[in-house]
Amino acid sequence: AQSVTQLGSHVSVSEGALVLLRCNYSSSVPPYLFWYVQYPNQGLQLLLKYTSAATLVKGINGFEAEFKKSETSFHLTKPSAHMSDAAEYFCAVTDKAAGNKLTFGGGTRVLVKP
Amino acid sequence: ETGVTQSPTHLIKTRGQQVTLRCSSQSGHNTVSWYQQALGQGPQFIFQYYREEENGRGNFPPRFSGLQFPNYSSELNVNALELDDSALYLCASSSGTKETQYFGPGTRLLVL
Repeated sequence: AQSVTQLGSHVSVSEGALVLLRCNYSSSVPPYLFWYVQYPNQGLQLLLKYTSAATLVKGINGFEAEFKKSETSFHLTKPSAHMSDAAEYFCAVTDKAAGNKLTFGGGTRVLVKP
Repeated sequence: ETGVTQSPTHLIKTRGQQVTLRCSSQSGHNTVSWYQQALGQGPQFIFQYYREEENGRGNFPPRFSGLQFPNYSSELNVNALELDDSALYLCASSSGTKETQYFGPGTRLLVL
């Protein structure tokens, strides 16, 4: 069975500072990995995805993530936080056999301080 | 192009009642997945429908059932509601069972 662990349920960053959200996965087969963002009272929006091509994946809104097989990690970063980045972020995993049925982590809520 | 829509946006039910939630998939999408997101948690996969057939189910009891119509819209039905069923129910559609999913805004269900 697959699983996702997101370290830190809450992260507080200052505007302009680096955003780093941690995601570790468990999968017995090559994974496909995703980051989604959820703004208050809204559904999930895809930020980026890794599907076995380049290990450094660039997404929308200046976010990027790096797949590290040796560390079973897929951490999300953004060099400079903006107030509009305040939201909840979810890491998710699937694989070729499971198709697009996703297993999500518990989420990390990001607070951006002015 | 219309995105994924869900109705109603909010719903209040009492324990033991039944509820039906609806989802209209994005134009051109033939696959719908349903997820339950309890407060403070990540979404959990309930089941998926592909071309009107169930295509996989998560760890949810049989009182959670679904349906997909010829126009690929979908319903989620929950019988004998329990307090723990209170959650945000998310629908996602895709152009296939391996393609990127696009999520609707969700239906927030409160069971009293």
